[in-house]
Amino acid sequence: QQQVKQSPQSLIVQKGGISIINCAYENTAFDYFPWYQQFPGKGPALLIAIRPDVSEKKEGRFTISFNKSAKQFSLHIMDSQPGDSATYFCAPDSGGYQKVTFGIGTKLQVIP
Amino acid sequence: DAMVIQNPRYQVTQFGKPVTLSCSQTLNHNVMYWYQQKSSQAPKLLFHYYDKDFNNEADTPDNFQSRRPNTSFCFLDIRSPGLGDAAMYLCATSRDSGLGGRGDEQFFGPGTRLTVL
Repeated sequence: QQQVKQSPQSLIVQKGGISIINCAYENTAFDYFPWYQQFPGKGPALLIAIRPDVSEKKEGRFTISFNKSAKQFSLHIMDSQPGDSATYFCAPDSGGYQKVTFGIGTKLQVIP
Repeated sequence: DAMVIQNPRYQVTQFGKPVTLSCSQTLNHNVMYWYQQKSSQAPKLLFHYYDKDFNNEADTPDNFQSRRPNTSFCFLDIRSPGLGDAAMYLCATSRDSGLGGRGDEQFFGPGTRLTVL
């Protein structure tokens, strides 16, 4: 059973544009909705995360939008920069003894 | 700085020759994970420890084993590496308050790139 569906798998955006990545989930027990950023040859690192008690969280150019009823959350990168070129993973989590479920990943390329 | 450290960063082994990867953390987190990540794929969970409780994923091959002698250290043993085991191995930690606890950030190490000749 695929619990997490991430799209698109790849994305090319011009510098200064908006990058949007989506994640749909099935498990209503998830209570932590993060986006991890991974550069080639490095481990993933938390970029931004949201709890289900809010619908949006903004940190600089990065925004998470969360729709509890639709069981979806998305990452918006405003004013995308070449340095944002990386792979992004959604990985919703419910804590306790439950494991984290990673999305398939989105390879973002920001072209000058 | 508190962190997750993996050694070695690069490991080359021969087909069938046992290898051990190590992970240490200074975060004092109670949960530790081992992931396998192949090129252009998402990390795939192999094991996780909730304190000393060992949780083996159903599809993790028997060729992979793990040890957590204390809170700070965790080891991944590959008993007889095959060509298909060549991958990046990621260690991660998280803080969890227990059953009914909430999800939280995972802190990843830099990974160990395993090459099997």
